Amino acid sequence: GQQLNQSPQSMFIQEGEDVSMNCTSSSIFNTWLWYKQDPGEGPVLLIALYKAGELTSNGRLTAQFGITRKDSFLNISASIPSDVGIYFCAGLNTNAGKSTFGDGTTLTVKP
Amino acid sequence: DTAVSQTPKYLVTQMGNDKSIKCEQNLGHDTMYWYKQDSKKFLKIMFSYNNKELIINETVPNRFSPKSPDKAHLNLHINSLELGDSAVYFCASSQGNFRGSSEKLFFGSGTQLSVL
Repeated sequence: GQQLNQSPQSMFIQEGEDVSMNCTSSSIFNTWLWYKQDPGEGPVLLIALYKAGELTSNGRLTAQFGITRKDSFLNISASIPSDVGIYFCAGLNTNAGKSTFGDGTTLTVKP
Repeated sequence: DTAVSQTPKYLVTQMGNDKSIKCEQNLGHDTMYWYKQDSKKFLKIMFSYNNKELIINETVPNRFSPKSPDKAHLNLHINSLELGDSAVYFCASSQGNFRGSSEKLFFGSGTQLSVL
């Protein structure tokens, strides 16, 4: 089946640093999404992308829909301690009726 | 106001027992899901229902039986629990029907199941 690979698997950064992570797929998707999961909670949607090449921001977060439609990128600027968590990408083709999730990037921010 | 709520939060039980997890959403969404998150945090879809109708069943063992009494509720019953069933189970919902399924999933806070 479809697989989404996220890189890096984990990151340890200092507060204030910028963060970049990406997600690659063997298949094309027509929608890319990024979720964040806090410890003990369910994932929460951060950003949704609908068009190849699209760049969308949500506060300090910026995500891009790759031109090949097989990848997506998430950047976090000026990280803060509450950015800690697991970041999941998800790809969706609406006719499939389900999102396929990546394996997650765990972010640790040291104050 | 909790959008997607599931109970219980924690469930510890012996192998061979039968248990249920309940989920309710007050968002007015048409589609509900069960996802399983394993110890490596990988999220995998198990089932989806649209307006009480089963849409997706991702080769989950027959011991898992979802039930949707109405579109706001999707419960998960698990028979003859096995050690490998230990995981966090997430309920989620989204707007729209199967063909126009919304991409935006709203998740509950999870049920951590531990089978001893």
